[in-house]
Amino acid sequence: KAGVTQTPRYLIKTRGQQVTLSCSPISGHRSVSWYQQTPGQGLQFLFEYFSETQRNKGNFPGRFSGRQFSNSRSEMNVSTLELGDSALYLCASTPEGLAGGSTDTQYFGPGTRLTVL
Amino acid sequence: AQSVTQLGSHVSVSEGALVLLRCNYSSSVPPYLFWYVQYPNQGLQLLLKYTSAATLVKGINGFEAEFKKSETSFHLTKPSAHMSDAAEYFCAVSDRDSSASKIIFGSGTRLSIRP
Repeated sequence: KAGVTQTPRYLIKTRGQQVTLSCSPISGHRSVSWYQQTPGQGLQFLFEYFSETQRNKGNFPGRFSGRQFSNSRSEMNVSTLELGDSALYLCASTPEGLAGGSTDTQYFGPGTRLTVL
Repeated sequence: AQSVTQLGSHVSVSEGALVLLRCNYSSSVPPYLFWYVQYPNQGLQLLLKYTSAATLVKGINGFEAEFKKSETSFHLTKPSAHMSDAAEYFCAVSDRDSSASKIIFGSGTRLSIRP
């Protein structure tokens, strides 16, 4: 079974531009979550999508948005990029979400490294 | 507001010794609790999670954690450290809702293993 894939793996943008990152979950998984990892702020939850609906959202400005398609693939978009948006963006998928039993585990993609110049 | 505190940003143990990584949480009601591991230059991996009544949770790679409500703790242990355990470990907490997805992470503990 293929793992979680994220594209692109590396991205360089300049301030003010916008960017779209893609995440393909494990087949059959309906929940996709996004996280930002930076040296200064650590790991932070961005949002979760389940069956094409945003089910939960972290404390990020409206410049950060996402969506999920009927095949569970998800995209996140960051508009008007700032230097502080430079980070590793991780996505993860689970069958139904993290509240399930022990078999309902979570699988992460390798991340997209975004650099904003 | 929920939060987690990981005691010790860096822990070093000898190969074969006990691994103990400390995590304390702050929450008005018992939350869901998680431990994640991140190997150098790799993505995250869920080690284990506490979501039900069983307070001792066994995870992958021989790790386990015990939920202690009276101490608001969820420490991660492994009886015998292996060189391959060297990594960054994150404790995390979320609300007891249907998705448990709004996770708050601790600042991480880097585990080093001495030969």
